[in-house]
Amino acid sequence: DQQVKQNSPSLSVQEGRISILNCDYTNSMFDYFLWYKKYPAEGPTFLISISSIKDKNEDGRFTVFLNKSAKHLSLHIVPSQPGDSAVYFCAANGISNFGNEKLTFGTGTRLTIIP
Amino acid sequence: NAGVTQTPKFQVLKTGQSMTLQCAQDMNHNSMYWYRQDPGMGLRLIYYSASEGTTDKGEVPNGYNVSRLNKREFSLRLESAAPSQTSVYFCASSDLGLAGAGPYNEQFFGPGTRLTVL
Repeated sequence: DQQVKQNSPSLSVQEGRISILNCDYTNSMFDYFLWYKKYPAEGPTFLISISSIKDKNEDGRFTVFLNKSAKHLSLHIVPSQPGDSAVYFCAANGISNFGNEKLTFGTGTRLTIIP
Repeated sequence: NAGVTQTPKFQVLKTGQSMTLQCAQDMNHNSMYWYRQDPGMGLRLIYYSASEGTTDKGEVPNGYNVSRLNKREFSLRLESAAPSQTSVYFCASSDLGLAGAGPYNEQFFGPGTRLTVL
């Protein structure tokens, strides 16, 4: 049962244009969402997050939008740059059966920026 | 600060062999995690340790054991490796802990261990 889904395995965008990465979730108890970026042969690195009480969070070229009624979030990158080419993971924070907070990750979207 | 370090970077095992993956963090984080990444599956949680002295199962714990040696170190052991355990393994740490215990923080990941089981 995939609670966090990224339905697009890959996305190609022209340099300078907007990149939009999507993520859907099923668990309404998730209270915090994060985006991670991963380059080949490296570990994921934190990019941006959003609390469930907000609908938008912006950090430079990166903006995350949350639509709680649709259980959908998206990451917008504008303008896209060649260094943005990476795999992006969406993650959702929830409470485990033992009362601890844990992240559930999506399957990732490979973004390629075309110069 | 080195952040999260993992050893080894690469390992090839034969079916049935055992090995331990090491992880250490120098950020004084309470919580540590082990994930595996497989194509089309994203990152799946194997085991985690919310605080020193505690460990709990994640989504895919079968075939693995863990030890939280101290606050800094969290090891993952494969007692009898199987080809299905071929994967990239990531260790992570954070200040995420008991619900409501503190501010939300992101997890910091190590560089990964690429394991092949023949």
